[in-house]
Amino acid sequence: DGGITQSPKYLFRKEGQNVTLSCEQNLNHDAMYWYRQDPGQGLRLIYYSQIVNDFQKGDIAEGYSVSREKKESFPLTVTSAQKNPTAFYLCASSPAGTKSSYEQYFGPGTRLTVT
Amino acid sequence: ILNVEQSPQSLHVQEGDSTNFTCSFPSSNFYALHWYRWETAKSPEALFVMTLNGDEKKKGRISATLNTKEGYSYLYIKGSQPEDSATYLCASPSRWNNNDMRFGAGTRLTVKP
Repeated sequence: DGGITQSPKYLFRKEGQNVTLSCEQNLNHDAMYWYRQDPGQGLRLIYYSQIVNDFQKGDIAEGYSVSREKKESFPLTVTSAQKNPTAFYLCASSPAGTKSSYEQYFGPGTRLTVT
Repeated sequence: ILNVEQSPQSLHVQEGDSTNFTCSFPSSNFYALHWYRWETAKSPEALFVMTLNGDEKKKGRISATLNTKEGYSYLYIKGSQPEDSATYLCASPSRWNNNDMRFGAGTRLTVKP
């Protein structure tokens, strides 16, 4: 089945450690996205990528890094510089393009807890 | 900054009731409006993508309307069923960058049998 996978579902880390969240899609979508959800707030865009080897910052990119070496994969690293990393992280993809608004397809999410 | 707001924050209805909720967005520089349904322990799934003023879309018992001039969209559910229980998200991309999607906080619907 085509879709987006994120792993792991739950992740626990100690403060000061970097952690990488996985996102893989087999939908052949060009664009991929990372969002963060905090209680009572809408999803907020961290990074997005429209094409391999290219990515752009969203509103809350500070303390995060990404790579897009393959079309299928868009891992997110939460660095120790992220001041409040505990959150629910969602990855999404879309056929995307600059001239149309395509629906986004979401993964199941990773809940990261940093103590 | 594009602010998308949804109301109410939560809603409890009885099975069989019809219900609706609102998404508001800045009407200037409008590009598109997305609705998603997010069931507990599942991934958000797209319901509708609307782009034209006056657009009406329907999928089964769920429909949506769009008013881009006044900056709102309504989502309607006719004859709510327990399986409609979910959080409904709306989102609107920036006209200047349609990868920059702005999400509302969602309306959490609970349908009681």
